[in-house]
Amino acid sequence: GAGVSQSPSNKVTEKGKDVELRCDPISGHTALYWYRQSLGQGLEFLIYFQGNSAPDKSGLPSDRFSAERTGGSVSTLTIQRTQQEDSAVYLCASSDWLPVDTEAFFGQGTRLTVV
Amino acid sequence: GQNIDQPTEMTATEGAIVQINCTYQTSGFNGLFWYQQHAGEAPTFLSYNVLDGLEEKGRFSSFLSRSKGYSYLLLKELQMKDSASYLCAVRADRGSTLGRLYFGRGTQLTVWP
Repeated sequence: GAGVSQSPSNKVTEKGKDVELRCDPISGHTALYWYRQSLGQGLEFLIYFQGNSAPDKSGLPSDRFSAERTGGSVSTLTIQRTQQEDSAVYLCASSDWLPVDTEAFFGQGTRLTVV
Repeated sequence: GQNIDQPTEMTATEGAIVQINCTYQTSGFNGLFWYQQHAGEAPTFLSYNVLDGLEEKGRFSSFLSRSKGYSYLLLKELQMKDSASYLCAVRADRGSTLGRLYFGRGTQLTVWP
């Protein structure tokens, strides 16, 4: 596609339910990032995929959070047993990666509200 | 570890010039990026520096000093639409974090008429 696509754009869920957030990166991009952003806050790193390397999961806040990337393309971020503090905008970004500069392109995000 | 610092807020007047500073301490370095983020929107790319010096793109310029771990974003001829958060990000170059972007918390710029 022309850009990074995330779905759904908005998600309201009840506390304790599981949610899945989807990210379709730009075709051919080998790097994929997940961040989350609470209202008025900066970007909090969650997880980073780069090619076939093991993902960098160091930013996942708890074992309720997991992510996978199938076939080196689409990624799904899963939050189990959602809590109210999980409410935030979840942003996905992708970039090509060569030994030269390439910027990351962001999707429009999924706004998650846990009630 | 990685540490990226930038001021939380800045204000300026329409038509003026503003400089947003960013200092970083990272275990590896493979480029510094500036992003702009309007409220409720996704960040968009503004500029990239990997070598020391100034990169100019229209009203926006970005400077890098690797030895000092310092960058700034310079915005000239400010317009109301420049009111946004400006994010500094450093790309890592080592080990398992190769290529990963580390973001600062962002500087909220308000432009007054």
